[in-house]
Amino acid sequence: EVQLLESGGGLVQPGGSLRLSCAASGFTFTNYALNWVRQAPGKGLDWVSVISGSGGITYYADSVKGRFTISRDNSKSTLYLQMDSLRAEDTAVYYCAKAYGSRMGSADYWGQGTLVTVSS
Amino acid sequence: DTQMTQSPSTLSASVGDRVTITCRASQSISSWLAWYQQKPGKAPKFLIYKASSLESGVPSRFSGSGSGTEFTLTISSLQPDDFATYYCQQYNIHPYTFGQGTKLEIK
Repeated sequence: EVQLLESGGGLVQPGGSLRLSCAASGFTFTNYALNWVRQAPGKGLDWVSVISGSGGITYYADSVKGRFTISRDNSKSTLYLQMDSLRAEDTAVYYCAKAYGSRMGSADYWGQGTLVTVSS
Repeated sequence: DTQMTQSPSTLSASVGDRVTITCRASQSISSWLAWYQQKPGKAPKFLIYKASSLESGVPSRFSGSGSGTEFTLTISSLQPDDFATYYCQQYNIHPYTFGQGTKLEIK
């Protein structure tokens, strides 16, 4: 059974940093790209970033480029999102999601999400 | 960036109705489109990939069609469990954008 478990969310001041983690199990971790998708309170889904199975390819939404860094540790089956220079508009539930098949960007399995609140 | 526009934003329907949600892309995405269902407080659920392929375990009353820039999600006979918000997403090219969502409500 595929499982994705996010952690690391919390309250942070504007301009601060936070590192999210997503522990994965139930599939061959290195074979799949992984995404971060967020959802602001009461709003729709917002794709944030994706990383290839090897970690060699990464893409970001324009809204987070230069501030967020996606990475993965294939030895630990864990995905990360380093978030720097946080803004109020980054407040959201952050989901990690496994890509479907070989195509980056799609998401067939999702974690339960972790809430990030950026506020003073 | 590829913009995804869903219509309608809200849809009121009754159990047993046939409903269709439309998703339009601002440029061709071939068939690289997925549909998701989300219920309040829950993570999205993957329903359809490559525009028309049903994910394993998803009821056959759900179907998808389209290619290029226009796509539809159809639910042939609404069940009580289907009242939720639905999102389309293009995964043809990054950034992998979502539509704004369609809330399916009980009439």
